[in-house]
Amino acid sequence: KAGVTQTPRYLIKTRGQQVTLSCSPISGHRSVSWYQQTPGQGLQFLFEYFSETQRNKGNFPGRFSGRQFSNSRSEMNVSTLELGDSALYLCASSEDVGNTIYFGEGSWLTVV
Amino acid sequence: AQSVTQLGSHVSVSEGALVLLRCNYSSSVPPYLFWYVQYPNQGLQLLLKYTSAATLVKGINGFEAEFKKSETSFHLTKPSAHMSDAAEYFCAVSPGGGADGLTFGKGTHLIIQP
Repeated sequence: KAGVTQTPRYLIKTRGQQVTLSCSPISGHRSVSWYQQTPGQGLQFLFEYFSETQRNKGNFPGRFSGRQFSNSRSEMNVSTLELGDSALYLCASSEDVGNTIYFGEGSWLTVV
Repeated sequence: AQSVTQLGSHVSVSEGALVLLRCNYSSSVPPYLFWYVQYPNQGLQLLLKYTSAATLVKGINGFEAEFKKSETSFHLTKPSAHMSDAAEYFCAVSPGGGADGLTFGKGTHLIIQP
C-alpha cells in the first residue's frame, strides 16, 4: 500500500505570492490533516478534513486554508506569503479519529 | 487544552546503553499519547501510541513507553541504543485519538556515541 504522498517536495516562493500544496492520503483513509513544522514553533496543527469537510482547525490566520476532494486528496493554500511561513508542511492521513495517523515526507517551503 | 513537555532538547547516550526520553503531558480529558520519530529530511514515523488499553506500550524498533497517570508522564525507553536510533523524537497528545489534532512537544534530539 502506498504511503502518504506530498507534492511538491521543495519549492521557493516570493513574499506576497500564494502557494498550493497537495497531499494524497493512503488508500481508504478519509481523514487528512496538515501540520507546520518550524525550528522556532515546532510542530503545529493547521487543520483536519474528513469527507470533504473541515472538522478541526488549529490557531492559524485565515491566510492558511485547505480543502479536500471526493477522492480524499487534499490541498492546502497559503496566500500573501510571509517570510515566517517558511517551513516544512506535513500532511497526515488516517481512517478516522482514533486510528493510527500516518505522515508524509512533507513539502519544504522557502519564502524569500 | 492540552500540552506536552519534553525534558532535554538533546540527549546523548553510548551505543548499547539505555535510552530514556522524558515526556510529561497535561490534558483535561483522558488522553491519547504518541511517540513519533523523525529522521533527517523525512516525515514522522509512529513509534507507539497509548490508548488506555495497557499502561506499558510496546512499539517498533525495540522502543516502549509507560503511561503513569499519577505523574502525568509517558517516558520512552529502549534497553540498548543502536547507532540507527539517532534521530529527533516527538511526544504528542490528543484528546480524541489524533485526527482531531496532535499537540506536540518541542522534540528531543537523540545522539548515539560510538
